[in-house]
Amino acid sequence: ETGVTQTPRHLVMGMTNKKSLKCEQHLGHNAMYWYKQSAKKPLELMFVYNFKEQTENNSVPSRFSPECPNSSHLFLHLHTLQPEDSALYLCASSQVRIGHNEQFFGPGTRLTVL
Amino acid sequence: AQSVTQPDIHITVSEGASLELRCNYSYGATPYLFWYVQSPGQGLQLLLKYFSGDTLVQGIKGFEAEFKRSQSSFNLRKPSVHWSDAAEYFCAVGAKSYNTDKLIFGTGTRLQVFP
Repeated sequence: ETGVTQTPRHLVMGMTNKKSLKCEQHLGHNAMYWYKQSAKKPLELMFVYNFKEQTENNSVPSRFSPECPNSSHLFLHLHTLQPEDSALYLCASSQVRIGHNEQFFGPGTRLTVL
Repeated sequence: AQSVTQPDIHITVSEGASLELRCNYSYGATPYLFWYVQSPGQGLQLLLKYFSGDTLVQGIKGFEAEFKRSQSSFNLRKPSVHWSDAAEYFCAVGAKSYNTDKLIFGTGTRLQVFP
């Protein structure tokens, strides 16, 4: 149990569907992150939220839309995806303070786009 | 630019043998360094971290890593590997950006353990 949960664990969707990924952290952290993990590539940071404010968007296509309603919840809304978007999407959280702080990861959502 | 290189994509060892996974980083300042492990179908779990001080750091599950500034390396070691150590291992360097913590990951090393 890492304190970060993600639902669903698996998702299959067509290119015209709209779906959402959910992440919840139970650690009292103030920052949350979305990563994309594709085969044979390093983890790619997609979005960062600090105190519910988006502080990082690494040139992610607009078909991915994040939402952070509070410091414990993070969503990734998906629409009009492409097959190359199939990947493992990982959520993480950390307590941002002086210095650098470790991130705690959820188990991920395995997304398949048909 | 910050980067992390893990030169070994796949390593196979026998159970009970020693293990060393290599990690080299590129970072302008004093780095914050991490090793994470990912078992199949799971998220990443922190094994150990280096922020400052003693360059040999101990982690969970009997792992240790040594920070060598002169070589820009942070190699992960374990004296005797167990079958349950089979997983993917990621080295990462931490960077501050706009008051958030960014992690830059290597491509990972997949460890296979034979009985």
